[in-house]
Amino acid sequence: EPEVTQTPSHQVTQMGQEVILRCVPISNHLYFYWYRQILGQKVEFLVSFYNNEISEKSEIFDDQFSVERPDGSNFTLKIRSTKLEDSAMYFCASSGSNQETQYFGPGTRLLVL
Amino acid sequence: DQQVKQNSPSLSVQEGRISILNCDYTNSMFDYFLWYKKYPAEGPTFLISISSIKDKNEDGRFTVFLNKSAKHLSLHIVPSQPGDSAVYFCAASRTGFQKLVFGTGTRLLVSP
Repeated sequence: EPEVTQTPSHQVTQMGQEVILRCVPISNHLYFYWYRQILGQKVEFLVSFYNNEISEKSEIFDDQFSVERPDGSNFTLKIRSTKLEDSAMYFCASSGSNQETQYFGPGTRLLVL
Repeated sequence: DQQVKQNSPSLSVQEGRISILNCDYTNSMFDYFLWYKKYPAEGPTFLISISSIKDKNEDGRFTVFLNKSAKHLSLHIVPSQPGDSAVYFCAASRTGFQKLVFGTGTRLLVSP
């Protein structure tokens, strides 16, 4: 069964450093998403991406965040200057043409020290 | 942002019995609802969904009920199995928007 994959599974970084989280969505899907879950809190939407551009973003997704689809398979989330409060699980998701059922990857646990 | 609420943080059920997980929402514009199951250190796994044009959707042991007037949905699992032990999230979206709004989750424990 096709699945969303994410790398790395864990990332530890120093405050102020840049990190890139990578995702390979399900191959025939057209919509891509990033969510995050801070420990003990809800899963929160960050951004959606369709047709090589951001289609929707939350207020959390400020100028320190960016997304990119550098090739036909990868989808990345870049955090330019990490803060302590960016520590969270980051989930990538994708959906097909119905844009409704989103399938999630296993997540990347980011720890900012 | 309390648009989707799961008021029971945990639920314990015996194997073979029914599990009922509840979810309430406040935004009447939501028209698509999903349930996800999540194990620790894994991503949410899609279980079942329902559109606002229906009031029930069934898939094997899982049934979701939607009461639009009460802005309430529930997930029924019958019979419950120990492997169902996980955190269950309901999520909602509205036409024209891709964002899923999640509830806080209910931890289900099914004991043998």
